[in-house]
This record gives sequence, structure tokens and C-alpha cells, in this order.
Amino acid sequence: SFVLTQPPSVSVAPGETATITCGGNNIASETVHWYQQIPGQAPLLVTYDDGDRPSGIPERFSAFKSGNTATLTISRVEAGDEADYHCQVWGGSSDHRLFGGGTKLTVL
Amino acid sequence: QVQLVQSGGGVVQPGKSLRLSCAASGFTVSIYDLDWVRQAPGKGLEWVAFMSSDGRNQDYTDSVKGRFTISRDISRNTLSLQMDSLRVEDTAIYYCARQGGGHFFDFWGKGALVTVSS
Repeated sequence: SFVLTQPPSVSVAPGETATITCGGNNIASETVHWYQQIPGQAPLLVTYDDGDRPSGIPERFSAFKSGNTATLTISRVEAGDEADYHCQVWGGSSDHRLFGGGTKLTVL
Repeated sequence: QVQLVQSGGGVVQPGKSLRLSCAASGFTVSIYDLDWVRQAPGKGLEWVAFMSSDGRNQDYTDSVKGRFTISRDISRNTLSLQMDSLRVEDTAIYYCARQGGGHFFDFWGKGALVTVSS
């Protein structure tokens, strides 16, 4: 079955660029979406369809994919970006509708 | 504006049943695909169940097939999840979510905590 693998944690200083990866077998052939989840809150869609941003999401959030890795990049990181980030794909079968394990972004 | 207001969580013993509801406003449930997603304590997100916009198709993650039933009431603009034969491992926050134009979740409810414990 398809599996999405994320690093448990990523740390970055304010103003720097955070890179959060999501690994999966030939994930470049999938459509990948990313969510931000602040502790105690529901997830918030930050990019969809491999890199489009919903209204209200800053341009600092961008996404791309290549080969077996999808990547969410947050430039000019702010303290308010500290959260868990989850990647997601949706396939044709029930075992292909899944999220990655989530990555906790810490702003130092 | 779009809102999903959830109700129905609580503490239940293993083997018992619980029903979650999700009242939609700002859009019509008959136009969008809708889902339930859960998050066990300290864990990641897990997709649980799907209802197509036309109401004809439902699907479930393997671990809940035969125990959970997703349904909707168009007249009340509400999505529901009937959870039977609950197990300790079903303990989680359950979110209802709307699928946007593609298979992504553009709006989420605030979540309902379900605790299965003896």
C-alpha cells in the first residue's frame, strides 16, 4: 500500500527558509496537498494541487515535487508558522487516500 | 461564510455506539464531496470515510469498514457518522471536512473528541 513519510520535526530560525518533505513511491505522479495544524485547532489548507494557495495564504508558502519527494517550503519563517504540517494525496482506492505522519515545525 | 459545526462526541465503552453530526452552512451538502478525518492523540491525520456529492458513493478506510456508516440529510444540510462496535483504537478527534474542487479538504469542522474506554 502507498505510504507517505515525513520527518517528525524540522527546526528553523526566524527569517530563514523551512523545508518540509513528504516521501512516497513516485509521488511526482500524485497530486499533493499540504495542511498546517496549530495545536488544538483543526487543519488549515495551505497549498493544494501541488502548489496553488487558497485565498489568504501568504506567498511565503510554496510547494513542489520531484521523483519520490514532495516539498513544502516556507520562506521568511515567522513565529506564527510554528505548527504541524501534513501532506495528503487522494487515490482511486481506499488505501490510497492518506496523509503523511506530520512534521512539527519549530521556530527557534 | 462556509462553516461546519460538529456535535456528538463523548466517552463510550468498547463495543458501544456513537453518532457524530456535522451541520453545514454557507454551502449545500448535495454539491460537495464530504469526508470524516480523525486524529488519535499525539498522532497524524487519518482519512476515515467519504460521501460523494450525489450521495451514491461511500467509502471507508479498511479499519472501520462494516462498523462505521457515513450518511447525510439534505433537508437539514447535515453530514453524519454512525460508529458501531467501537474499539479502544477508535479513540480520536473526529473532523468533518469538505472537499474543494479537487480531492483536498478546504474547510474543516472544529473536531469532536471520541474516547472509547472501559
